[in-house]
Amino acid sequence: ETVLTQSPATLSLSPGDRATLSCRASQSINTYLAWYQQKPGQAPRLLIYDASNRAPGIPARFSGSGSGTDFTLTISSLEPEDFAVYYCQQRSRRLIFTFGPGTRVDF
Amino acid sequence: QVQLQESGPGLVKPSETLSLTCIVSGDSIDSFYWSWIRQSPGQGLEWIGYLSNSGTTNYNPSLKSRVTISADTSKNHLSLKMNSVTTADTAVYFCARMVVVDAFDVWGQGTIVSVSA
Repeated sequence: ETVLTQSPATLSLSPGDRATLSCRASQSINTYLAWYQQKPGQAPRLLIYDASNRAPGIPARFSGSGSGTDFTLTISSLEPEDFAVYYCQQRSRRLIFTFGPGTRVDF
Repeated sequence: QVQLQESGPGLVKPSETLSLTCIVSGDSIDSFYWSWIRQSPGQGLEWIGYLSNSGTTNYNPSLKSRVTISADTSKNHLSLKMNSVTTADTAVYFCARMVVVDAFDVWGQGTIVSVSA
């Protein structure tokens, strides 16, 4: 199955900074990639699906790009509520789903 | 809007069967795909399996031999059964909707399951 690798493991930034998170797949997944935000004690929240489509209600400062094996989530200007863990997730042709290990964005 | 609410026993003994329910409100369970996903303490996310709107299922190969996902459309709820549990199955279990088959757009708040003697 496809393995997802996320980098960096931790991103230490300040409000107003630009955040760039990377997700790499062990084989091509076309654009079948999603991004989630998770805060402590909460369920993940879908941010981006199909690599670049923002989910309803997600602010425009979140954007996704990439195809094949390399993907990026960009937060253009960090708000205090954006400090969280971010996961990428892929689905295979056989509709098997896997998640990356996560990137923590903190101060 | 759609809401998902998981429930379960909280504590399960090793080798027993774990049974969880996800009540779906605000949506019809036979309109979309629905998944179970779990998160072990301090760890990442693991997809368990899904039930499609046509009643087909698909499971994580690593769990397939122990897992069954089903639905009761009259009650609009989703069920997960996992047999022969071990301490490695201790996790928060989430149910989630898949409005597009590629991603999980609505999640329940999760239910904690501990496997311990």
